[in-house]
Amino acid sequence: ETGVTQTPRHLVMGMTNKKSLKCEQHLGHNAMYWYKQSAKKPLELMFVYNFKEQTENNSVPSRFSPECPNSSHLFLHLHTLQPEDSALYLCASSRAGGLAGGTYNEQFFGPGTRLTVL
Amino acid sequence: QKEVEQDPGPLSVPEGAIVSLNCTYSNSAFQYFMWYRQYSRKGPELLMYTYSSGNKEDGRFTAQVDKSSKYISLFIRDSQPSDSATYLCAMSEGSARQLTFGSGTQLTVLP
Repeated sequence: ETGVTQTPRHLVMGMTNKKSLKCEQHLGHNAMYWYKQSAKKPLELMFVYNFKEQTENNSVPSRFSPECPNSSHLFLHLHTLQPEDSALYLCASSRAGGLAGGTYNEQFFGPGTRLTVL
Repeated sequence: QKEVEQDPGPLSVPEGAIVSLNCTYSNSAFQYFMWYRQYSRKGPELLMYTYSSGNKEDGRFTAQVDKSSKYISLFIRDSQPSDSATYLCAMSEGSARQLTFGSGTQLTVLP
């Protein structure tokens, strides 16, 4: 495997289900991200982890629970979701440090998990 | 008002055309400007990034930033059917601040 992988690629769940999304990066990065992409809307940053520590939570509802056991793996645990949570969930990774001094540590994205909440 | 505005399209052009994709923004503190390309059923991939103002060229792609007008552009010369994708602009103030994305422009290049 190379780059950033995500499983499953597609997920359909009921509002009372519990499921988890998995992301794995094979790039040696130490920052990982979860984004939500809804149709015709900008990518919304959900969570950021740097060196396994959560450094950003963009007011995401508690029904979304991230977990980062190590720098290569990132999970998003889902519980009691709403139909409006249906979207493409993208994972990304980068070298830590973000943007500074004119340098952009590129975020590499996985293919996403297409989530449908019934 | 959204921080970043991007015409969603769809935009259809014939093969070989010059394509112009644009974003406007309201935050004058943005210093880093990126263009991502997203093919159907794939994640976004970085095409180009520019720090501060000016132009940057990479093959058939040219990125322009006009901070005085808060306007950025991506030009694609000699467009190809393989350029058909959604193009996302993104920008940031830098340091610890994360990226703010536009909603994307869907481009189709017709053979």
